[in-house]
Amino acid sequence: KAGVTQTPRYLIKTRGQQVTLSCSPISGHRSVSWYQQTPGQGLQFLFEYFSETQRNKGNFPGRFSGRQFSNSRSEMNVSTLELGDSALYLCASSWTGTPQETQYFGPGTRLLVL
Amino acid sequence: AQSVTQPDIHITVSEGASLELRCNYSYGATPYLFWYVQSPGQGLQLLLKYFSGDTLVQGIKGFEAEFKRSQSSFNLRKPSVHWSDAAEYFCAVARSGGYQKVTFGTGTKLQVIP
Repeated sequence: KAGVTQTPRYLIKTRGQQVTLSCSPISGHRSVSWYQQTPGQGLQFLFEYFSETQRNKGNFPGRFSGRQFSNSRSEMNVSTLELGDSALYLCASSWTGTPQETQYFGPGTRLLVL
Repeated sequence: AQSVTQPDIHITVSEGASLELRCNYSYGATPYLFWYVQSPGQGLQLLLKYFSGDTLVQGIKGFEAEFKRSQSSFNLRKPSVHWSDAAEYFCAVARSGGYQKVTFGTGTKLQVIP
């Protein structure tokens, strides 16, 4: 069974640009969560999607948005990039997104904002 | 709101020695607790989780953790460390009920010396 895949793996953007990251969950998983990992703030929850609906959201500005498609694939978008958005963005999937379920993480997309 | 504290940023142990990584949590009710491991350039992998029942939880790769409600702790242990255990370890908490919104600790980087 294929794991969680994220594309691209690496990305370099400049301030003010926007970026879209993609996540394909494990087959059959319908819940997708996104996390931002930085040396200063650690791992922070961005949002969680299930059946194309955002169910949970972390404390991030509106520049961070996401969506989920009918095949459970998810994208997250960051508009008007800032230097502080440089981070590793991790996506995780699980069957239905209940807290007891194991989340399976992808390898992440490393974003560098110049 | 839930929170997690990992007081040790960096730990060095000799190969074959025992290991204990500390984790303290703050949450009003019985939390769901997790330990994840992250190798360089990789996503996170779940080592073990605790929801209820036996307070000593066995995980993968020979790790175990003990939930102590009186101390609000969930420390990770391994009796004999292998060089391949060098990685960063994250303790995490999720509220029971609702959907996944995991709060991670700041991580403990483990170095293993021969």
